[in-house]
Amino acid sequence: AQTVTQSQPEMSVQEAETVTLSCTYDTSESDYYLFWYKQPPSRQMILVIRQEAYKQQNATENRFSVNFQKAAKSFSLKISDSQLGDAAMYFCAYLGGADGLTFGKGTHLIIQP
Amino acid sequence: DVKVTQSSRYLVKRTGEKVFLECVQDMDHENMFWYRQDPGLGLRLIYFSYDVKMKEKGDIPEGYSVSREKKERFSLILESASTNQTSMYLCASQREGRETQYFGPGTRLLVL
Repeated sequence: AQTVTQSQPEMSVQEAETVTLSCTYDTSESDYYLFWYKQPPSRQMILVIRQEAYKQQNATENRFSVNFQKAAKSFSLKISDSQLGDAAMYFCAYLGGADGLTFGKGTHLIIQP
Repeated sequence: DVKVTQSSRYLVKRTGEKVFLECVQDMDHENMFWYRQDPGLGLRLIYFSYDVKMKEKGDIPEGYSVSREKKERFSLILESASTNQTSMYLCASQREGRETQYFGPGTRLLVL
């Protein structure tokens, strides 16, 4: 079975600085998808970024980018120029075969003004 | 934009009650999912469905059942609610295959 590990239960960063959230996963599949979702306090879970395993190029969405290392099974999220609105729980998720997402336990990101 | 709605944001039920949580999506998505979210455990898959009247067990189906009579609606049923089912329940929909899943706002269920 696939597993997703987020080793940082909580991270804190100063506003305008850069922070990296780590994620590792375990799978025997070669074709899969990885996601970072953001869940603000008492608000809906939304997609931050998505990476297809067959693509070597790291995905980027504005201030959010990933460092995808397929051989190391690592999928970290970098947030540049952190803003107060980035404060949230961040979940790393894996999608392999024809079933649901496998999530990590989440990282609580705190933005210090 | 994809819209996934859930029937209640907050729900309080008694032990032994039958509980229905409903989820509706408006994008004609094929696949729908129910997850449970608990602090320190992340999200865990309860059940999912690829088509009307079709269902598949996820990682933690015990104590739950589902119903999908129409494509846009996916219901989670707690036949006899127990205190250990107190949790946040999230519904998601997906166009097909390995597309992105879109989540509803969640239902926070308290079983007393």
